Amino acid sequence: GIQVEQSPPDLILQEGANSTLRCNFSDSVNNLQWFHQNPWGQLINLFYIPSGTKQNGRLSATTVATERYSLLYISSSQTTDSGVYFCASYMDSNYQLIWGAGTKLIIKP
Amino acid sequence: DTEVTQTPKHLVMGMTNKKSLKCEQHMGHRAMYWYKQKAKKPPELMFVYSYEKLSINESVPSRFSPECPNSSLLNLHLHALQPEDSALYLCASSQGVNSPLHFGNGTRLTVT
Repeated sequence: GIQVEQSPPDLILQEGANSTLRCNFSDSVNNLQWFHQNPWGQLINLFYIPSGTKQNGRLSATTVATERYSLLYISSSQTTDSGVYFCASYMDSNYQLIWGAGTKLIIKP
Repeated sequence: DTEVTQTPKHLVMGMTNKKSLKCEQHMGHRAMYWYKQKAKKPPELMFVYSYEKLSINESVPSRFSPECPNSSLLNLHLHALQPEDSALYLCASSQGVNSPLHFGNGTRLTVT
């Protein structure tokens, strides 16, 4: 089956720093999504990005489907950015998402 | 505020109890999902309803029983659970196949 690898697994940064999170797929990407799960468990859809680049405030994402990877950029980190970032992609045009293991981000004040 | 609402936020139940988790979405989505999430793991798909019909059952034990009364509501009935069923249960919805997925805030379930 499709394998999803996220890197790095853990990241600790000072407030104000920038970061890049990576998601690699073993097969073709199909409608990739990035999620943020805060320490209280709330899971928010950040980007739905099959290809190209999107930006939302301090966050942006780029998916290069032909090379099977996606990047999530966080600029000027804030403590509220802490949590786990997941990437996921649909498999074979059905409802089943294939998830990465996540990147745990801690932003220190 | 999330547009997918889950109740209750927390639930503690004994192994002989019967309880239900409830989910409601107000986005006009046609697909609704139940996920289970253990600590430090990504969510695991349990059930998918598409147009109010069960589309996917990921070999979930029968002590979990889903119900979709209408296109906006999704329930998960719990009976005779085991302590290992303790987890965060997440409801989600999407417009359809290959669409952005939107989650509720989850129900944190503890089975004693």
